[in-house]
Amino acid sequence: NAGVTQTPKFRILKIGQSMTLQCTQDMNHNYMYWYRQDPGMGLKLIYYSVGAGITDKGEVPNGYNVSRSTTEDFPLRLELAAPSQTSVYFCASSYSAGPYEQYFGPGTRLTVT
Amino acid sequence: LAKTTQPISMDSYEGQEVNITCSHNNIATNDYITWYQQFPSQGPRFIIQGYKTKVTNEVASLFIPADRKSSTLSLPRVSLSDTAVYYCLLYNNNDMRFGAGTRLTVKP
Repeated sequence: NAGVTQTPKFRILKIGQSMTLQCTQDMNHNYMYWYRQDPGMGLKLIYYSVGAGITDKGEVPNGYNVSRSTTEDFPLRLELAAPSQTSVYFCASSYSAGPYEQYFGPGTRLTVT
Repeated sequence: LAKTTQPISMDSYEGQEVNITCSHNNIATNDYITWYQQFPSQGPRFIIQGYKTKVTNEVASLFIPADRKSSTLSLPRVSLSDTAVYYCLLYNNNDMRFGAGTRLTVKP
């Protein structure tokens, strides 16, 4: 099993550009999450999804959008990129809510200049 | 979700037991205590989770007193490869808040 995969690994954007961060999991997990991690800090939840067609905001959703059309995929869309969105983005998945382990992808390092 | 407090950094030597204590004075009844490990340039990895008393798996033990206001992650006989950031989290349904974590450095 590949687990949780993310593409791209690195990306540099100019201010105002848009992009989509891809996330795919092959564990048939219902729950998927997007986090961002700023240097020296812990992770902050951006959006999460409890199943195909259902998404909800996390702690820091402004400037981002998500969709969940399939169980496997959970893309994160950045519209009008800003320098404050420079961060490392992690996607994760879990079997269900409650005390279930979250499996994280390798991350996407995004720089907005 | 209640806040957690843990030391910013710790140093240890190979072969020693390391105990990292996390304070969570306002823990809610439904919160589970979860620990993750993160190496540089990688996503966090689940270590252990518990609700009360003691939990042990193949890599760590988690001690939780009866009042659940704190917890201690115990890593037996650490090696250089255990150098990482360790996060103590309270987990309740979809809400899981990461703090800054404890940066553990294992020295030879």
